[in-house]
Amino acid sequence: GAGVSQSPSNKVTEKGKDVELRCDPISGHTALYWYRQSLGQGLEFLIYFQGNSAPDKSGLPSDRFSAERTGGSVSTLTIQRTQQEDSAVYLCASSLLAGMAYEQYFGPGTRLTVT
Amino acid sequence: GENVEQHPSTLSVQEGDSAVIKCTYSDSASNYFPWYKQELGKGPQLIIDIRSNVGEKKDQRIAVTLNKTAKHFSLHITETQPEDSAVYFCAARSTSGTYKYIFGTGTRLKVLA
Repeated sequence: GAGVSQSPSNKVTEKGKDVELRCDPISGHTALYWYRQSLGQGLEFLIYFQGNSAPDKSGLPSDRFSAERTGGSVSTLTIQRTQQEDSAVYLCASSLLAGMAYEQYFGPGTRLTVT
Repeated sequence: GENVEQHPSTLSVQEGDSAVIKCTYSDSASNYFPWYKQELGKGPQLIIDIRSNVGEKKDQRIAVTLNKTAKHFSLHITETQPEDSAVYFCAARSTSGTYKYIFGTGTRLKVLA
C-alpha cells in the first residue's frame, strides 16, 4: 500500500518568506510526527499529533514554526519568516498508534533551502 | 534534557567483517530503543528495536544489545554486505509523558567490497 508521502520534495525560498510543508500519513495511522534533519545531524523532534489529543509541541524551535493536522489525516508544517538556519530536511512519520509497539514509518522528506 | 550520543560518526569495514555502532542515553526511564537505516534520498526505516526488559535481540545478521545499568545500547551487523552501506540512527523513547523519540546523530557506514 501507499506509504507516507511529503510535498514538495524540494523547496527553495528566500529569507523572510513563509513556507508550508505537507505530509500525507498512511491511511488509518493516528499518530503523526515531524522531525528536522540538518546536514550531518540526527533527527530533531519538532511536534507530534495523536488522534484528537492536544499535540506535543515541545520540539518547535521558535514561534515561527507551527503545524496542524486537519481531520486526523493530512498535516501541514508552516514556517513563517524563514531564516537561513531553517534550511534542513523536514521528515514526517506516522504510526498506527503512538505507543512503542507501533513502528514509525517515515516519508522521504522535504529539503528546504533558504537563500 | 534528554540526550542520545552515538559513536562512531563514520565507520568503514571490509565486506564480510562485522560493524558495531554504540549509543548512550541520558534518561534512565527510557524504555524503548529502535534503530533506523537511512539510505540516500530516503526517510529512515526501522531495522530492529529492543525494549528495556530485554538484554539482546537478534534478527538474521543484525543484533542489538542493551545495558540498562550503563545506559547504553549497541547495533551489531555481521557478515556485512555493500548494501548495508547507509546512515544508521539510534533512538530512545522518552517517557516524559509523551511518545517522543530522541535520536542520535547518526553513523555513516561504508562497506568496502
